[in-house]
Amino acid sequence: QSALTQPASVSGSPGQSITISCTGTSSDVGRYNLVSWYQQRPGKAPKLMIYEVTKRPSGVSDRFSGSNSGNTASLTISGLQAEDEADYYCCSYAASSAYFGTGTKVTVL
Amino acid sequence: QVQLVESGGGVVQPGRSLRLSCAASGFSFSSYGIHWVRQAPGKGLEWVAVISYDGSNQYYADFVRGRFTISRDNSKNTLYLQMNSLRAEDTAVYYCARPAGQYFDFWSGFGSWGQGTLVTVSS
Repeated sequence: QSALTQPASVSGSPGQSITISCTGTSSDVGRYNLVSWYQQRPGKAPKLMIYEVTKRPSGVSDRFSGSNSGNTASLTISGLQAEDEADYYCCSYAASSAYFGTGTKVTVL
Repeated sequence: QVQLVESGGGVVQPGRSLRLSCAASGFSFSSYGIHWVRQAPGKGLEWVAVISYDGSNQYYADFVRGRFTISRDNSKNTLYLQMNSLRAEDTAVYYCARPAGQYFDFWSGFGSWGQGTLVTVSS
């Protein structure tokens, strides 16, 4: 088992939509609906944005949404805002462990 | 509100031991499993270990199994991580994190995080 694969960087202009992919295997992302997404700003602790693939914690903007297809999960940010600039990590359960993605830096142009 | 405060980090020589603590408040500590997650400087997040709400089950990442021990004291609302045989690659900020779900539902996501404590393993 190894880290889930994410693109190193994704960028977009304010108001646009972007999608971050998270590719795993049939043993993790493809097997369990236990994928979560985290936003991390520099020097801060991560913040849960999506859990169980599609669920949004209270207080998280509805501009953030999650989905999955096969072995790949995705996080979509709609109506991109300057405050969305941060690192994003996916995470999946597998075999009594949790595996994070490699991380994606989102830049708002 | 939910609060998690880690402590115990510092500089330690390779091969030595260190114990981290995580003091919890603002929720029913004994109803939740709790995780440790770490982040090496400039690197990504890495899951380390989890303990069930009652301490009956513990799970570890392969790279710490046999060296680290997670435990809890529900009477003190405190989580611990005993780290033995430390290596340079264990250098990281260590976070405790409460899952989104209660009891044995501790894999759904890490809903609340502490601010982290830095462990530096160096001679």
